[in-house]
Amino acid sequence: AQTVTQSQPEMSVQEAETVTLSCTYDTSESDYYLFWYKQPPSRQMILVIRQEAYKQQNATENRFSVNFQKAAKSFSLKISDSQLGDAAMYFCAYRTFLDGGSNYKLTFGKGTLLTVNP
Amino acid sequence: DSGVTQTPKHLITATGQRVTLRCSPRSGDLSVYWYQQSLDQGLQFLIQYYNGEERAKGNILERFSAQQFPDLHSELNLSSLELGDSALYFCASSARGDTGELFFGEGSRLTVL
Repeated sequence: AQTVTQSQPEMSVQEAETVTLSCTYDTSESDYYLFWYKQPPSRQMILVIRQEAYKQQNATENRFSVNFQKAAKSFSLKISDSQLGDAAMYFCAYRTFLDGGSNYKLTFGKGTLLTVNP
Repeated sequence: DSGVTQTPKHLITATGQRVTLRCSPRSGDLSVYWYQQSLDQGLQFLIQYYNGEERAKGNILERFSAQQFPDLHSELNLSSLELGDSALYFCASSARGDTGELFFGEGSRLTVL
């Protein structure tokens, strides 16, 4: 079964600085999707960034980028120029196919709570 | 706004009771997922429906059941509630295509006293 591990329960960063959140996963699949979701105090789950495993280029969305290391099964999230509004719980997720078909679900890590200090 | 609507946002009830959580997916999405988020277990997949049919079950207790109606809204029924059922219950829907992204509602916070 696929598992997703976030080894940092909590992280903190100074405003305007850069922080990297770690995620590793276990899979035997060769083609898959990885995601980072953000859950602010409002508790809404918001997609931050998505990476397709077949793409060698790391995904980037404005201040958010990933370091995808397929062989190492590592998928870290880098937040540049951190802002107070980035404070949230961040979840790494892996898309898992169900029943060998096109049906799928997302398997989530336990999350990393990011604090941004002014 | 993800386009996924969940009601109620908050619910307080007593042990042994039964509650129903409701979810309306994004317009056009046929798949509905239910997840449970608790402090110690994180986000756990409960069940998935596609166009009215159950497609997959995760860690869903026998006391819990769900269904998806012809208009594609879904309900999660929780019965014989226990203190440990207190959690945030999320509904999510997914689009056609192969992006893998789930769109989440704001969740229903259930407190069992």
